[in-house]
This record gives sequence, structure tokens and C-alpha cells, in this order.
Amino acid sequence: LAKTTQPISMDSYEGQEVNITCSHNNIATNDYITWYQQFPSQGPRFIIQGYKTKVTNEVASLFIPADRKSSTLSLPRVSLSDTAVYYCLVAPTGGFQKLVFGTGTRLLVSP
Amino acid sequence: EAGVTQSPTHLIKTRGQQATLRCSPISGHTSVYWYQQALGLGLQFLLWYDEGEERNRGNFPPRFSGRQFPNYSSELNVNALELEDSALYLCASSFGRENTYEQYFGPGTRLTVT
Repeated sequence: LAKTTQPISMDSYEGQEVNITCSHNNIATNDYITWYQQFPSQGPRFIIQGYKTKVTNEVASLFIPADRKSSTLSLPRVSLSDTAVYYCLVAPTGGFQKLVFGTGTRLLVSP
Repeated sequence: EAGVTQSPTHLIKTRGQQATLRCSPISGHTSVYWYQQALGLGLQFLLWYDEGEERNRGNFPPRFSGRQFPNYSSELNVNALELEDSALYLCASSFGRENTYEQYFGPGTRLTVT
């Protein structure tokens, strides 16, 4: 499984756009990139998944450059409720969807 | 649509006892996953069930076991409890065998071993 590196923590203010970058230099051809959000004492929540270029949903955007060695989760206009830990996962698909979580990025949104 | 449900919310046991945790997946999901999250640590994969069969297990001793019922609900059993088994146990479900990591998690069961 490809190793991922994320910043340990980030600070932001309400209304700002937040970009969290994840490095995954050893990503394999059949690996997908997935992001989860987790609040304290709750299960993680799926945010977005992508393979290349850009993916957008109602919650976030995921930018993946051509070499796929990194990815950036973009959260538009964050609010206080976006304060959480964000995990970047890289793994192949194909029948066994074991999630391997790293330490994640702790995002703190202030008023 | 109801999400993944887990019971009980909290469970307190003593060393050596057995614990049984239950999970009901989202309707239509056939895969159920179990994870352990010890305090301050990341999620550790425990077990994966799909269509009633154990498909894979993580690096945990055999005293961690489970099963999946015909209605796709699942049970996690932990025998001979040890203090370090104290953790939040999370269940997740997804459509089976699809090429996606979109898993839906339940609220978890907090197991405390004293």
C-alpha cells in the first residue's frame, strides 16, 4: 500500500477555502485516492474519491496532478463544523477495500 | 434512509470476559467491515465480511472473530478480553465487491475493559 504524508495540523477561519495536500510518491497504477473526515468519537465519513485530474462533489473538490504523486483536497468556504481530522488514503481497488488510515490532518476552523 | 447502526453504544467488561458487538448495515449493502480505533491511534482493520463469508482479516489474534448473518448484519466477538482491547469499535458497510472505498461508518461501540 502506498505511504501517504499529510500535514499534522492546519488552522483556518470561517469562510476561507482550505486546501490539504497529501503526498503519495509510491502510488501504483491501479491505486485510487480517497479522503475521509472524522469528528471526535465518531466513525469516519467518506468525502471524495478520485483517480486523476479533478473530481468535485457537493462537499469538496479533489485535485490530482498528472503524475499522481500528490493530491489536494479543497474545502470551499469552511465553517466551524468543518473542524475535524481529514485522512488521505491510497489503495488499489479490486475486491478488497481495506481502509488504511494514517495520522491525518487535524483542521481547526476558528470564527 | 437509515445509516449503519451499532449496539451497544458502550460496553464495560472485565479482563477475561467475552464481548459481543453488533452491526446493521445500510439496506442494500452486502459488505461489512470492522475496525478498531484505540485512543489516540488510527483505525486498524479487523475483519471484512461479504455475502455471509469472511473475506479478509487484519493483524489481530484469533480471539477476535465474527460472523455475518443472512440479513447482512454482523457480530464481532472478542474472547478473553485484555485491557488493551479497550477501544472504539467501528463497523462500516458498502456495496459488495465494488471498486470503491466509499464505506459508510456507524457511530461505534466504546468497549472498556477493566
